[in-house]
Amino acid sequence: RKEVEQDPGPFNVPEGATVAFNCTYSNSASQSFFWYRQDCRKEPKLLMSVYSSGNEDGRFTAQLNRASQYISLLIRDSKLSDSATYLCVVNPLMGGFKTIFGAGTRLFVKA
Amino acid sequence: DTGVSQNPRHKITKRGQNVTFRCDPISEHNRLYWYRQTLGQGPEFLTYFQNEAQLEKSRLLSDRFSAERPKGSFSTLEIQRTEQGDSAMYLCASSLSGREAYGYTFGSGTRLTVV
Repeated sequence: RKEVEQDPGPFNVPEGATVAFNCTYSNSASQSFFWYRQDCRKEPKLLMSVYSSGNEDGRFTAQLNRASQYISLLIRDSKLSDSATYLCVVNPLMGGFKTIFGAGTRLFVKA
Repeated sequence: DTGVSQNPRHKITKRGQNVTFRCDPISEHNRLYWYRQTLGQGPEFLTYFQNEAQLEKSRLLSDRFSAERPKGSFSTLEIQRTEQGDSAMYLCASSLSGREAYGYTFGSGTRLTVV
């Protein structure tokens, strides 16, 4: 079993749609969680950290479910510019350095 | 300081040759990481430095790979006797200890092609 698993997609959605991605992780002791965005042939960029209480940043909402060991990302009112690969990221230890990246979920937003 | 800088952006080399990549992290960041990414996969951890000390190496990092960060600033990643399977994007990232909630800042990467 992979340490971090994501549905590779692709998700094809029209502009304005709401889309949700899930990610599961295997290490129950994992401490910190993130979503990164990666555009084609570019480097990953931090989208948002994921807090236990859940957090929202504009059209993006991230949730953490420790009991079921998954995190989610919800994108509301999708824009063409949201088209990218979304990487789920897990740190096994608070302040740890061996960050584990999922393989990513590809999103295409169409006009 | 404009972020993490990696050089070269692209490298094409013949199998069996040695290559070296450089990473200049954000100046105040004391932590530096090397990752490797192949098509359709997420970045895979290779190694980590805190200041000049290399504190962790992945099993992915065979004896042909070596990384240094001699003065706790820039880092180099060397691959000796390159193989076609080494073809990938090599990503460097940096962060500041105590600010892990802010994630990593990645460089643009070095794309290696071994022919």
